[in-house]
Amino acid sequence: NAGVMQNPRHLVRRRGQEARLRCSPMKGHSHVYWYRQLPEEGLKFMVYLQKENIIDESGMPKERFSAEFPKEGPSILRIQQVVRGDSAAYFCASSPGGASSGANVLTFGAGSRLTVL
Amino acid sequence: SQKIEQNSEALNIQEGKTATLTCNYTNYSPAYLQWYRQDPGRGPVFLLLIRENEKEKRKERLKVTFDTTLKQSLFHITASQPADSATYLCALGTANDMRFGAGTRLTVKP
Repeated sequence: NAGVMQNPRHLVRRRGQEARLRCSPMKGHSHVYWYRQLPEEGLKFMVYLQKENIIDESGMPKERFSAEFPKEGPSILRIQQVVRGDSAAYFCASSPGGASSGANVLTFGAGSRLTVL
Repeated sequence: SQKIEQNSEALNIQEGKTATLTCNYTNYSPAYLQWYRQDPGRGPVFLLLIRENEKEKRKERLKVTFDTTLKQSLFHITASQPADSATYLCALGTANDMRFGAGTRLTVKP
């Protein structure tokens, strides 16, 4: 069981380019969460998805950011027209059940570190 | 507004002592509360979960308490070791998602 796999681990983009971050959840997990972390800061919730559904995207900026979790394949966090302020570590986590299931333990990936030049 | 506050950014203690970390929250009614450990450059790792109807939970040298009246959780590491040095995050489970505090960086000195 490979755990939560995120790629790329490191991504460098110039201002205005697009960044795509991928997350393959643990086998058997159908719920995915994306968090953003700035240096020396905590995890900021961005979006919570189930297969083919966005459950809660209240933490995601309205513009330039989007997320999906298709029926087949990994979850994708997409950032269009990146700016320097998007530089951060982006963590994905998965769980077998939903947030309301009563025992929602998250398994995190190692993170994708985005640097915008 | 909803807030999750962890007592301090950094806590330094001597090896062998008990580390106590605090997590306070406002405007939340969590069904459960969790503690995670994060090492530099890595993703958080789950440690303990405590439900709203539980007062205390233990796992080896770790103990968590959950007071829904005070809206507070305490996380204790007894007989601390330098290997316990890390950032510890509390997280609240709500109907739709999991929200994290900013974390407390614990350093255990030999």
